[in-house]
Amino acid sequence: ETGVTQSPTHLIKTRGQQVTLRCSSQSGHNTVSWYQQALGQGPQFIFQYYREEENGRGNFPPRFSGLQFPNYSSELNVNALELDDSALYLCASSQKGQGNEKLFFGSGTQLSVL
Amino acid sequence: AQTVTQSQPEMSVQEAETVTLSCTYDTSENNYYLFWYKQPPSRQMILVIRQEAYKQQNATENRFSVNFQKAAKSFSLKISDSQLGDTAMYFCAFRFPNYGQNFVFGPGTRLSVLP
Repeated sequence: ETGVTQSPTHLIKTRGQQVTLRCSSQSGHNTVSWYQQALGQGPQFIFQYYREEENGRGNFPPRFSGLQFPNYSSELNVNALELDDSALYLCASSQKGQGNEKLFFGSGTQLSVL
Repeated sequence: AQTVTQSQPEMSVQEAETVTLSCTYDTSENNYYLFWYKQPPSRQMILVIRQEAYKQQNATENRFSVNFQKAAKSFSLKISDSQLGDTAMYFCAFRFPNYGQNFVFGPGTRLSVLP
């Protein structure tokens, strides 16, 4: 059973640029979500994808967008980067079920915006 | 608004002793799930224990147990026989059954287990 893998592990961008982060879900999982974890805080829900469609979104602006592919891997895209976008971005996957399914996380991508 | 509060930013415990991490939450919903996640320096969030709000019996997983007080909206984590590998950030979280992977996390408690 493979885990959730994210790439890259670290990334440095400048303000105004665009970034794409990637995630491979755990084998057999059809739902993926993305979280932003600012330094010293808990993760905040960005959005969730199920069967290649956005299926829930947190309080993040439209410049945060995503994709889920037929193999259930996913991308998080952030346009017009701002300094406050500097954070650890976590991907999580699960098998959509009855509500108490376990959520499996990757090790994250540390994004620094200069 | 749905919120989770962890009032202890940092805690320490001696190896082999017991420690309790506090968590309170605020929601008007009646049906939800509660979780404790651990985040070691590797940054990967690892599920420690989970509790369904409709169950009165407190969940246990080996050395980890919870004290769930629904009326008080309290969900504390007890770690018995603490081990050096328990050193990590601990996050309390909850979510609703129809909200998919939309977890609401607390700010975390940094636990250090001392030799």
